[in-house]
Amino acid sequence: AQSVTQPDIHITVSEGASLELRCNYSYGATPYLFWYVQSPGQGLQLLLKYFSGDTLVQGIKGFEAEFKRSQSSFNLRKPSVHWSDAAEYFCAVGVGNQFYFGTGTSLTVIP
Amino acid sequence: EAGVTQFPSHSVIEKGQTVTLRCDPISGHDNLYWYRRVMGKEIKFLLHFVKESKQDESGMPNNRFLAERTGGTYSTLKVQPAELEDSGVYFCASSQLSGGSTDTQYFGPGTRLTVL
Repeated sequence: AQSVTQPDIHITVSEGASLELRCNYSYGATPYLFWYVQSPGQGLQLLLKYFSGDTLVQGIKGFEAEFKRSQSSFNLRKPSVHWSDAAEYFCAVGVGNQFYFGTGTSLTVIP
Repeated sequence: EAGVTQFPSHSVIEKGQTVTLRCDPISGHDNLYWYRRVMGKEIKFLLHFVKESKQDESGMPNNRFLAERTGGTYSTLKVQPAELEDSGVYFCASSQLSGGSTDTQYFGPGTRLTVL
């Protein structure tokens, strides 16, 4: 069965620091991979997605993610975090018409 | 262009009562999805409509849940009777294209349901 693991429930970083959110998946083939962000009171917003090709994908808001097949990982990164990045982040795997989400990582940004 | 909207934003009901959640997808999006997130858990797929037809309802937890999409526009998700374990955040999403996982799904803000 497909599964997505986000091992960090909560992360706190200082504004301006770099960020890496971890995501591991379990799936037999190369999946379609996504990162979504949910700010308070908002819907989930797509940050970026990977289907094939270059394993380093760029997204909105200065985020990027790298697909590593050997590690079954799709970690999200940002070189310099802004206070407005405080939100909850979800990694997801697309299989057929369904998405399988991780449990989310809540990000706190301290000034 | 308006995004996906959901109503209500919050609902608090007692066990045994009925609640109906509504989702208005982005205009022109044939695909509509319902998801649920129980506190502390992952967001889980419930079902997928293509226009007014249920394409996949494999994630619906039991027959207390009934989803409809009359006319292929907005959708409702009714829980009757509600149980404590139904508490959570119910998300709706819509997409425009084929309905496969390569589609970008646009999510609403969710309805937080609390069953007491």
